[in-house]
Amino acid sequence: AQKITQTQPGMFVQEKEAVTLDCTYDTSDPSYGLFWYKQPSSGEMIFLIYQGSYDQQNATEGRYSLNFQKARKSANLVISASQLGDSAMYFCAMREENSGNTPLVFGKGTRLSVIA
Amino acid sequence: ETGVTQSPTHLIKTRGQQVTLRCSSQSGHNTVSWYQQALGQGPQFIFQYYREEENGRGNFPPRFSGLQFPNYSSELNVNALELDDSALYLCASSRERAYGETQYFGPGTRLLVL
Repeated sequence: AQKITQTQPGMFVQEKEAVTLDCTYDTSDPSYGLFWYKQPSSGEMIFLIYQGSYDQQNATEGRYSLNFQKARKSANLVISASQLGDSAMYFCAMREENSGNTPLVFGKGTRLSVIA
Repeated sequence: ETGVTQSPTHLIKTRGQQVTLRCSSQSGHNTVSWYQQALGQGPQFIFQYYREEENGRGNFPPRFSGLQFPNYSSELNVNALELDDSALYLCASSRERAYGETQYFGPGTRLLVL
């Protein structure tokens, strides 16, 4: 069974600084995908970044990068140059990809607060 | 914005009632997944519809049921509502089964059961 663990219930970061949100995962499937979503107080889950288990390089999308360490089963999200608008819940998720479009399994999330 | 819409945005029901939530998928997407997010938790998978057929189900009782229509929009029906059904219900749409395919979420429906 797949499992996602996010050990940081809450994080604070100064505006313009970088912050790392931790995520570890567990799966026996060799083919899987890792996702990060942002959830503002409005409730919508906003897709940020994707990393496939066979991808050799860490994924990057603008100010977001995913620090993928396969041997350690970790997929940490790095946000550079934090902005006040980055304050939100952040969820790490994964799914098996052998049979395509399988459901996402989410962690409990980390609440990020950006301080001016 | 993702192009995934949900209605209604908020709903208040009493225990024992029935509720229907609606989701319109993003253009070009034929798969809709529904998730329940209780307060302070991550979303939990309810079920998925692919080309109008249920294509996987999470650990939810049969009183949670759904439909997908030819235009790929979807409904989530919950019968005999319980207090613990109070949650944010999220739908997500995606394209044909493919490696790396991303699910895009709607804004959610907040259901309160009294």
